[in-house]
Amino acid sequence: DAGVIQSPRHEVTEMGQEVTLRCKPISGHDYLFWYRQTMMRGLELLIYFNNNVPIDDSGMPEDRFSAKMPNASFSTLKIQPSEPRDSAVYFCASLGFRANTEAFFGQGTRLTVV
Amino acid sequence: EDQVTQSPEALRLQEGESSSLNCSYTVSGLRGLFWYRQDPGKGPEFLFTLYSAGEEKEKERLKATLTKKESFLHITAPKPEDSATYLCAVHLPGSGNTGKLIFGQGTTLQVKP
Repeated sequence: DAGVIQSPRHEVTEMGQEVTLRCKPISGHDYLFWYRQTMMRGLELLIYFNNNVPIDDSGMPEDRFSAKMPNASFSTLKIQPSEPRDSAVYFCASLGFRANTEAFFGQGTRLTVV
Repeated sequence: EDQVTQSPEALRLQEGESSSLNCSYTVSGLRGLFWYRQDPGKGPEFLFTLYSAGEEKEKERLKATLTKKESFLHITAPKPEDSATYLCAVHLPGSGNTGKLIFGQGTTLQVKP
């Protein structure tokens, strides 16, 4: 298994542009989480899905943020329009129940909005 | 409110100086407690899952323990390569607590040679 795959690894965009972050979770995992990490606030949970269904999006900061999971192997996080304060590292993690409960992270997308 | 608190925020050790990191939690249910290691510029790396009070797990110089209110990550005779930020997270049960995975702020460990 290649693990959780995120793309792109780095994204630099201008304020006002739309940004789409992508995540491929580990096959067979039931949960998918989107986090944002900054020095000031640490890892913040934005939204998570269980069996492709959004369960809790209370962490999404504003209506500019949206997330989808159209199938078990793909999720997107979209920011439209982007603002400089959205600059952060965005992580996707998937959680599953095999021999043990395991939750693995992708390598993250470093977003810079200028 | 469900909360995870880690202490200390930062820890400096000499190589070989054993110590412990703390993760205390206030939650209405616990499905599992996770420990991660995060190196700069990388995603958190999964270390352990603990499920119930009294449980212990080990990996090389690391040992994680769990009580009803907190978890400890013991580092025995650390080496400089153990320098990283260590994160703990709590997986809440589904339905009532909706299955969230919430994190503490982390402990940044520096091990000097």
